[in-house]
Amino acid sequence: KNEVEQSPQNLTAQEGEFITINCSYSVGISALHWLQQHPGGGIVSLFMLSSGKKKHGRLIATINIQEKHSSLHITASHPRDSAVYICAVRRGAQGGSEKLVFGKGTKLTVNP
Amino acid sequence: DTEVTQTPKHLVMGMTNKKSLKCEQHMGHRAMYWYKQKAKKPPELMFVYSYEKLSINESVPSRFSPECPNSSLLNLHLHALQPEDSALYLCASSRTGFVEKLFFGSGTQLSVL
Repeated sequence: KNEVEQSPQNLTAQEGEFITINCSYSVGISALHWLQQHPGGGIVSLFMLSSGKKKHGRLIATINIQEKHSSLHITASHPRDSAVYICAVRRGAQGGSEKLVFGKGTKLTVNP
Repeated sequence: DTEVTQTPKHLVMGMTNKKSLKCEQHMGHRAMYWYKQKAKKPPELMFVYSYEKLSINESVPSRFSPECPNSSLLNLHLHALQPEDSALYLCASSRTGFVEKLFFGSGTQLSVL
């Protein structure tokens, strides 16, 4: 079982819909990142959070440390939101360092 | 300037070639990373440089050789690659380490023939 599980794997929505992408993890973490990757490769960091909730424009990210779960919400979705959304958790690694463990991503398509 | 610039954007090389990928940032970040991403898979960490010193090598084959000549530049030297090494190679940086927000470049799409 992967340490980071995202659902759904694929999501198709109509413009204007409210979207939720979920991320569950099975290890102790120090922080969780939500990333957005558009076709062609470029990755943008949307949020880094270790507790509570963060909001940026139409995007909202929440995390529940006790339940080991995070959600990314998009309000009033738009075709330009179409991308792969990746959840990544920061956890300890050998030698006292830390590493990011990535989920497999959720491919979002928003149709006009 | 909040950009991480990677060159080239695309690279095609033969298995006997030697090539280099370049990554540059001018945000004063002291941690820089190389990731490899195969199609429809999440990025896989290859190397981490912290304050110009290699701090993590994720058991990457020696045909990949990283170099951090100064705090703004990160190179990945490629030699005798295999076709299975074809992938998107992403560079990222952060202020000091994974505790900080990551900034990614747009990647180099590498094809090994």
